[in-house]
Amino acid sequence: GAGVSQSPRYKVAKRGQDVALRCDPISGHVSLFWYQQALGQGPEFLTYFQNEAQLDKSGLPSDRFFAERPEGSVSTLKIQRTQQEDSAVYLCASTFLSGGNTEAFFGQGTRLTVV
Amino acid sequence: RKEVEQDPGPFNVPEGATVAFNCTYSNSASQSFFWYRQDCRKEPKLLMSVYSSGNEDGRFTAQLNRASQYISLLIRDSKLSDSATYLCVVKTGGGNKLTFGTGTQLKVEL
Repeated sequence: GAGVSQSPRYKVAKRGQDVALRCDPISGHVSLFWYQQALGQGPEFLTYFQNEAQLDKSGLPSDRFFAERPEGSVSTLKIQRTQQEDSAVYLCASTFLSGGNTEAFFGQGTRLTVV
Repeated sequence: RKEVEQDPGPFNVPEGATVAFNCTYSNSASQSFFWYRQDCRKEPKLLMSVYSSGNEDGRFTAQLNRASQYISLLIRDSKLSDSATYLCVVKTGGGNKLTFGTGTQLKVEL
């Protein structure tokens, strides 16, 4: 597709349930990022991949959060044993190159609601 | 203290007004700077990069003051369609992590 695609667009999970969020970046984009955006806040960095390598996972809030990009294209963000504080929009972004003033293209996000 | 700070607003301005947003960042090693725009319930999109010499794109002017660690965005002749949240974004070091401010909400009214 032409842009970054995320699925599902909306997810309602019961507390304690595991969820998996998918990101399909722009074809050929080397770098992929996951961000978490709470209501009224800016996006907060979670993790970053360059191809299949996860180079920075410093933003993952707990060990319940896990991300992978096994073939250097599609990425999955998994949240285990979801809690109410995990409710947010999860944004994926990709860039063609790493470094410099390369524009990051964002997907429309997955809005996760934990009830 | 947050790494990137912005006044959340909202800024309510009449159509045609000039409005300025400011942003400060705490990490002096920051190297790249951007303004992103985010419409309600949409994803952020790059508005413009910010260069040391200052840069202009139509009605939008961005400036960077490295000594004061301060970034600004000026919008002239505001349009209704400018209503959105404007996110100040900083990239630090050799990594690619973008650090976002909370965003400043702009509402342009008739």
